[in-house]
Amino acid sequence: AQSVTQLGSHVSVSEGALVLLRCNYSSSVPPYLFWYVQYPNQGLQLLLKYTSAATLVKGINGFEAEFKKSETSFHLTKPSAHMSDAAEYFCAVSLPTGGGNKLTFGTGTQLKVEL
Amino acid sequence: GAGVSQSPRYKVAKRGQDVALRCDPISGHVSLFWYQQALGQGPEFLTYFQNEAQLDKSGLPSDRFFAERPEGSVSTLKIQRTQQEDSAVYLCASSAGQGYNSPLHFGNGTRLTVT
Repeated sequence: AQSVTQLGSHVSVSEGALVLLRCNYSSSVPPYLFWYVQYPNQGLQLLLKYTSAATLVKGINGFEAEFKKSETSFHLTKPSAHMSDAAEYFCAVSLPTGGGNKLTFGTGTQLKVEL
Repeated sequence: GAGVSQSPRYKVAKRGQDVALRCDPISGHVSLFWYQQALGQGPEFLTYFQNEAQLDKSGLPSDRFFAERPEGSVSTLKIQRTQQEDSAVYLCASSAGQGYNSPLHFGNGTRLTVT
């Protein structure tokens, strides 16, 4: 079975500083990996996805993530944090097998951006 | 509508009551998923439909949970004899296709509180 681990349930950065949210995965086969963002009282919005093409994936709102097989990681980064980035971020994994886009989510990281 | 619509947004039920949660996916979307998100946790998969066929219900926590999508569009998640541990946000998501390049679109969820 596949799983993801997000290190740090809460991350706080200053506006303009680098954002780094960590995600490690466990999977018996090469997985597909995703990052979603959730604003309060809203559903999840896809930031970016890795589906075995380029290992460096660029997403919306200036975020990007790099798939590192040797480290089983898919960390999310953004060079300069903005106040509007404050939200909860979820890493998710799925397997390229039948069953549609069935996702297994991590427990989430709450990002706080301070002035 | 433009997105996935869920109703009601909030539901308070007394323990033992039955509840029905509705999901209107984006028109024409083939795949539909239900997820359960407990407080402070990531979403957990409940069930998956491809058109009207329920292809995966492995995540339903007990036989008190039942989902249907009779005409391949609107879906209803029913919980019988609600228990306090059923309190969570229930998220619905749809996608146009079945593959991994078909992104999931999430609704804003229904927050169920069982008292």
